[in-house]
Amino acid sequence: KQEVTQIPAALSVPEGENLVLNCSFTDSAIYNLQWFRQDPGKGLTSLLLIQSSQREQTSGRLNASLDKSSGRSTLYIAASQPGDSATYLCAVSQGGSEKLVFGKGMKLTVNP
Amino acid sequence: GAVVSQHPSRVICKSGTSVKIECRSLDFQATTMFWYRQFPKQSLMLMATSNEGSKATYEQGVEKDKFLINHASLTLSTLTVTSAHPEDSSFYICSAFSPDISTDTQYFGPGTRLTVL
Repeated sequence: KQEVTQIPAALSVPEGENLVLNCSFTDSAIYNLQWFRQDPGKGLTSLLLIQSSQREQTSGRLNASLDKSSGRSTLYIAASQPGDSATYLCAVSQGGSEKLVFGKGMKLTVNP
Repeated sequence: GAVVSQHPSRVICKSGTSVKIECRSLDFQATTMFWYRQFPKQSLMLMATSNEGSKATYEQGVEKDKFLINHASLTLSTLTVTSAHPEDSSFYICSAFSPDISTDTQYFGPGTRLTVL
């Protein structure tokens, strides 16, 4: 059974710091991995999707890497801003039409 | 493109009543829709997967007679929480998949906050 872990559960940092969010999964037979952002009481916003054959993806200040063999992914946020404050969720799937297995998320607070 | 809506966004009901939540793919036809549930400080957990015109497949531990899922068309799926109890209070999110849009991912609705008094 696939399990996804995100540690720590929460992080509070001053504005401007570069951040690394970690995600690990137990079954390396994944199709892809996604990072989502969730604002309080809201739905999910997809940030980055990495295919199992890829090593990393970048979008603006965000960079996500994937090491499938070791079951790990990291989300790097450069020059954090208060607007980055949200919960970040990592999820893996075994196919586009298959269910996503989510981690519990990491609540990020960026202080001005 | 690939917009998914949910209605209502928030609902409060009395214990013992039933509540219906709608999930619509607004600009595409979804061959598969998923229903997830999120308790406070917990991850999203899949409740069931539904394909248009067929019965939903429920995850282990999810009562199919309590959580009725109907996927009547390629753009609409409904989740009915029957005889709701306070422990059913949660955030319910649906997602939709269409290989015509992307074979890689699902598109999520904004979620429905259910509070059972």
